Amino acid sequence: EAGVVQSPRYKIIEKKQPVAFWCNPISGHNTLYWYLQNLGQGPELLIRYENEEAVDDSQLPKDRFSAERLKGVDSTLKIQPAELGDSAVYLCASSPGLTNTGELFFGEGSRLTVL
Amino acid sequence: GQNIDQPTEMTATEGAIVQINCTYQTSGFNGLFWYQQHAGEAPTFLSYNVLDGLEEKGRFSSFLSRSKGYSYLLLKELQMKDSASYLCAVRDWGDIPTFGRGTSLIVHP
Repeated sequence: EAGVVQSPRYKIIEKKQPVAFWCNPISGHNTLYWYLQNLGQGPELLIRYENEEAVDDSQLPKDRFSAERLKGVDSTLKIQPAELGDSAVYLCASSPGLTNTGELFFGEGSRLTVL
Repeated sequence: GQNIDQPTEMTATEGAIVQINCTYQTSGFNGLFWYQQHAGEAPTFLSYNVLDGLEEKGRFSSFLSRSKGYSYLLLKELQMKDSASYLCAVRDWGDIPTFGRGTSLIVHP
């Protein structure tokens, strides 16, 4: 079974440029999360989707960040314009939902460097 | 809100036992997770506790005391490959897992 797939793995951009990250969750997983992880820190939630609905986006900086999961499958996270402080790893995770322990399955992440 | 505290770094010797503690203060509790994360890789699931007590899975065990807001991860017969960051995460009533900053474990020969 394929795991959570993210792309690109690495991205280097100059500040004020836009950037987008893509995530394809495990087939059949209704819940999708985007987390941000800074070096030496734990993941911090940006947004959670149940199917195509964003059910928790209170931590998403909406002035520059946006996300979508139009068909309830894959998702895109966009930053426009990027700032120096956005340099981090963006992790996508999926979960089957409420019928099990709620274990999250993570992708390998997209590492963003803003110059 | 959630407040999760765990040590920043620990060191241990190959073959030994190490206990990584996690304390939490949350507005709601619906389970506690431990994840392992090697440098540059994705976090991977280790354990889940929702009731008090000890859950054992091979060389790894996890303990939970809900009344004390306390959990620990116990790693036995340490191997060099166990060098990684160990993340404690608490799930609230909204089913959102909140992660601690992680404990970097260094296993030396």
